[in-house]
Amino acid sequence: GNSVTQMEGPVTLSEEAFLTINCTYTATGYPSLFWYVQYPGEGLQLLLKATKADDKGSNKGFEATYRKETTSFHLEKGSVQVSDSAVYFCALRYSTGNQFYFGTGTSLTVIP
Amino acid sequence: EAGVVQSPRYKIIEKKQPVAFWCNPISGHNTLYWYLQNLGQGPELLIRYENEEAVDDSQLPKDRFSAERLKGVDSTLKIQPAELGDSAVYLCASSLGAGGNYNEQFFGPGTRLTVL
Repeated sequence: GNSVTQMEGPVTLSEEAFLTINCTYTATGYPSLFWYVQYPGEGLQLLLKATKADDKGSNKGFEATYRKETTSFHLEKGSVQVSDSAVYFCALRYSTGNQFYFGTGTSLTVIP
Repeated sequence: EAGVVQSPRYKIIEKKQPVAFWCNPISGHNTLYWYLQNLGQGPELLIRYENEEAVDDSQLPKDRFSAERLKGVDSTLKIQPAELGDSAVYLCASSLGAGGNYNEQFFGPGTRLTVL
């Protein structure tokens, strides 16, 4: 079946550190891949997306590349800020349907 | 433009009591989703509507959960009777439509339910 596996948290980093949150997926066909972010007390917000292999999604300094050969979509940021503290969810969606499959989320805390 | 609105934000009830959650999607969004989010987990789809039609309710526990979207706009999710294990955050999301290569979902803030 379809599934998304994220690295477990929580992750704690110092400000300006490099961030990687791993995400791998299991799916048939060619899903679209997403990263969502959930700030405390708020709903999920789309952070970035990629719809086909080798696409790179980017937003707010975050990047992720759709790697079909490794079935991965790792999230990276070169220099994190305190304001990046949130829970990050990797997700996939098929174009033929409209159902999203979410990972379990990775909590990130950035300390000054 | 207003985002997805949910109410209440928090609800505490005793087990066996009924409870209802309300969602108003973004204006013009035809697709509406209800998700369940347990602590430390990602959202899990309960039901998806295309306009007023429930097109995917395979994960909705129909013995106690029900949902409606009568006019294809706002929606209500109900639990009757609630059980201790229903304590979770109930998220509503909407998107412009179904199909296509990509269709962004916009999430509401959720309703946090505590069943005592």
